[in-house]
Amino acid sequence: ETGVTQSPTHLIKTRGQQVTLRCSSQSGHNTVSWYQQALGQGPQFIFQYYREEENGRGNFPPRFSGLQFPNYSSELNVNALELDDSALYLCASSRGELAGGRETQYFGPGTRLLVL
Amino acid sequence: QQQVKQSPQSLIVQKGGISIINCAYENTAFDYFPWYQQFPGKGPALLIAIRPDVSEKKEGRFTISFNKSAKQFSLHIMDSQPGDSATYFCAATFSGSARQLTFGSGTQLTVLP
Repeated sequence: ETGVTQSPTHLIKTRGQQVTLRCSSQSGHNTVSWYQQALGQGPQFIFQYYREEENGRGNFPPRFSGLQFPNYSSELNVNALELDDSALYLCASSRGELAGGRETQYFGPGTRLLVL
Repeated sequence: QQQVKQSPQSLIVQKGGISIINCAYENTAFDYFPWYQQFPGKGPALLIAIRPDVSEKKEGRFTISFNKSAKQFSLHIMDSQPGDSATYFCAATFSGSARQLTFGSGTQLTVLP
């Protein structure tokens, strides 16, 4: 078990709604990355936050946005939900680059989002 | 350039056998190659990882073999156990990408008792 926690564990929304997912990083980690994992596929990188700034973004539209707080916890917000947004959303934390460990990412258990 | 190709999609092995999962990549900038194990309803858990300056890394029953010239790497699970039944993902990352992980498509491993 990693020290990364996510909430809620499951969520059901309807198309067009907005959702906020939360993540607490492992102790000592200041970098949080978010991934989307569709059923039967590998996770896909959404974006990363480092020191409260977005530090990289994958091929996701602007309706996917995020925040990182001073305690390094993070939120993922998705606006105007679409059916294809149904997936497992994973948060991963890592140490900063200067600590030489950002490449090692530890995942939380994920939030399962179902959009109807 | 960012893609990591993984095979096979599914694998069935008898208890005590060797499980082998293969991955190939195109982007020569990749400099870190982790393998993750994922059980149903759980997040991926880091299993073992390798850097391209090493051709092999072993941790317990798990071994990564790395062929830099062929741009291929593989996971070998020795003495496979029913508890190893899970989905395995290879991944790759490089420092110029915010260290985003590019994952393979996954291999569902079933170890028969």
